Amino acid sequence: EAQVTQNPRYLITVTGKKLTVTCSQNMNHEYMSWYRQDPGLGLRQIYYSMNVEVTDKGDVPEGYKVSRKEKRNFPLILESPSPNQTSLYFCASSLRSVGMGMARRGSPLHFGNGTRLTVT
Amino acid sequence: GIQVEQSPPDLILQEGANSTLRCNFSDSVNNLQWFHQNPWGQLINLFYIPSGTKQNGRLSATTVATERYSLLYISSSQTTDSGVYFCAVEPLTYNTDKLIFGTGTRLQVFP
Repeated sequence: EAQVTQNPRYLITVTGKKLTVTCSQNMNHEYMSWYRQDPGLGLRQIYYSMNVEVTDKGDVPEGYKVSRKEKRNFPLILESPSPNQTSLYFCASSLRSVGMGMARRGSPLHFGNGTRLTVT
Repeated sequence: GIQVEQSPPDLILQEGANSTLRCNFSDSVNNLQWFHQNPWGQLINLFYIPSGTKQNGRLSATTVATERYSLLYISSSQTTDSGVYFCAVEPLTYNTDKLIFGTGTRLQVFP
């Protein structure tokens, strides 16, 4: 079954204790991205990757790291979590769009089931 | 940056009713998608629809890119349709596959 798998689903941790949220997709997608979802702020992009070894900052990258050593995996790392990183996190993937401007053609974005992180 | 506005913000329906959700965007886009976030928090892709009309069962979507809006139609609504519906767009100038999400329409369907 084609899917994006995130783990863990729930995580409670303490300030400063490094953690990793894993994300894996089995659809051979080039594009992967991390979002966080907070009440009143909607979905905001943290980091994205266009392909292996290619990553870039989204809108809210502070306090996060990512890596893309393999096409299927895109882990999110919190080196020193803080309470303001308490949130619902989503990993997503899609094929890369081709073309530019009006000729650009994309593909559906698929989300993992989410990771609810609480930092105390 | 681009503004993505969804209306109405909240919608309450009885089972069997039809509804139309709207997404307006302030700049040209080449990618528009609709998502459903169910009460368990899962985000499901409903449509990739940068232009034109698509149908999938009781759901259909229409995007009029030249007028900068998209509509999601839900017919014969069911309680399982409850949740939040998001539209998301990639502005024409981005070319990064980055989607900007609207604030969503919260739908509650009662039996």
